[in-house]
Amino acid sequence: DTAVSQTPKYLVTQMGNDKSIKCEQNLGHDTMYWYKQDSKKFLKIMFSYNNKELIINETVPNRFSPKSPDKAHLNLHINSLELGDSAVYFCASSPRQVSTDTQYFGPGTRLTVL
Amino acid sequence: GNSVTQMEGPVTLSEEAFLTINCTYTATGYPSLFWYVQYPGEGLQLLLKATKADDKGSNKGFEATYRKETTSFHLEKGSVQVSDSAVYFCALSAPRNGNQFYFGTGTSLTVIP
Repeated sequence: DTAVSQTPKYLVTQMGNDKSIKCEQNLGHDTMYWYKQDSKKFLKIMFSYNNKELIINETVPNRFSPKSPDKAHLNLHINSLELGDSAVYFCASSPRQVSTDTQYFGPGTRLTVL
Repeated sequence: GNSVTQMEGPVTLSEEAFLTINCTYTATGYPSLFWYVQYPGEGLQLLLKATKADDKGSNKGFEATYRKETTSFHLEKGSVQVSDSAVYFCALSAPRNGNQFYFGTGTSLTVIP
């Protein structure tokens, strides 16, 4: 009965590779997000989708490309991985795109680029 | 713009001590305010929230009151337990901003027996 799930939980890869992280929510929410947490635990929004439509696209290198095949899924593809991409990536969802709504977070994917 | 300033950690307390973690914010409009907790190796879990001024959020003995006059949302607990050891994040969500969350830097709490 996992609410927001992410795969994989750990990802170790070489510089220059391309990798994807998948996220699925079974809460019936309309809005999904990707956040990056750096080594100092600071969390920053990367992208937000509402009903499969891109809403927020923060200043993120265009090597990062989100894809939402349907309302329940938001995947993150990263091209040409760099050392600085090493971080924990969290997916989240909320019922709607309104500021009073709680966001529900997945367990995170720890990406290590060697 | 929107931002959250949170008390620097780490914080170390003895069991049953009183906890306060300060959080102040800057926002356009009237934001909603949240406290999330992150246990080691896990994702963030909502601890409590308040969506308008003077609201008090509470959960598991933790409380925080939305103070518009001081733009603050300080987290308090009267008697902490070892199981409260975690990182605590204050966050705001501003209207007309796509429900984007702005997080504070997190405060690491360790409770010792």
